[in-house]
Amino acid sequence: AQSVSQHNHHVILSEAASLELGCNYSYGGTVNLFWYVQYPGQHLQLLLKYFSGDPLVKGIKGFEAEFIKSKFSFNLRKPSVQWSDTAEYFCAVSSRGSQGNLIFGKGTKLSVKP
Amino acid sequence: DTAVSQTPKYLVTQMGNDKSIKCEQNLGHDTMYWYKQDSKKFLKIMFSYNNKELIINETVPNRFSPKSPDKAHLNLHINSLELGDSAVYFCASSHRGHGTGELFFGEGSRLTVL
Repeated sequence: AQSVSQHNHHVILSEAASLELGCNYSYGGTVNLFWYVQYPGQHLQLLLKYFSGDPLVKGIKGFEAEFIKSKFSFNLRKPSVQWSDTAEYFCAVSSRGSQGNLIFGKGTKLSVKP
Repeated sequence: DTAVSQTPKYLVTQMGNDKSIKCEQNLGHDTMYWYKQDSKKFLKIMFSYNNKELIINETVPNRFSPKSPDKAHLNLHINSLELGDSAVYFCASSHRGHGTGELFFGEGSRLTVL
């Protein structure tokens, strides 16, 4: 069965610090990979996605993620965080050609201190 | 225009009651989902419908019954509510034909069972 692991439960950073959130998945086949963000009190929004091609994908608000197939990883990065990045971040995976069932990690809460 | 809309946004009710949450999407998608987010922010799929047909039914108590009158609507009815049903329920939609698995989420319905 597919699963997604996010290593950090809660990350606390100061503004301008660099961010890397870990995500590993377990699935033997071809996958689509996603990062969603949930700002306090809001719904999930797509941050970025990987389907194929360049393993380094760029998303909104300066976020990027790198797919490393050999490590089954899809880590999220941002060179300089802002207070407004405070949110919950979810990594998710779906198998290519699946029913669209997205498997989510347990989320990482990011708190950015002004 | 809201792409995926859910009503109500907040619902407070007593144990044993029956309640419904409605969801509508205007994206022209053919697949809709219900996800449950528990108090620890963990997101888990409950149901998925494609063109009004049930395609995913995770291990969910029979008290939960989804209904899809057409492919733009997926409602969730819950009978005999229990304390453990307290959670945020997210509706989502996707275009299954794209095979990408990218979901578009509603703003969530926070259910509190007293």
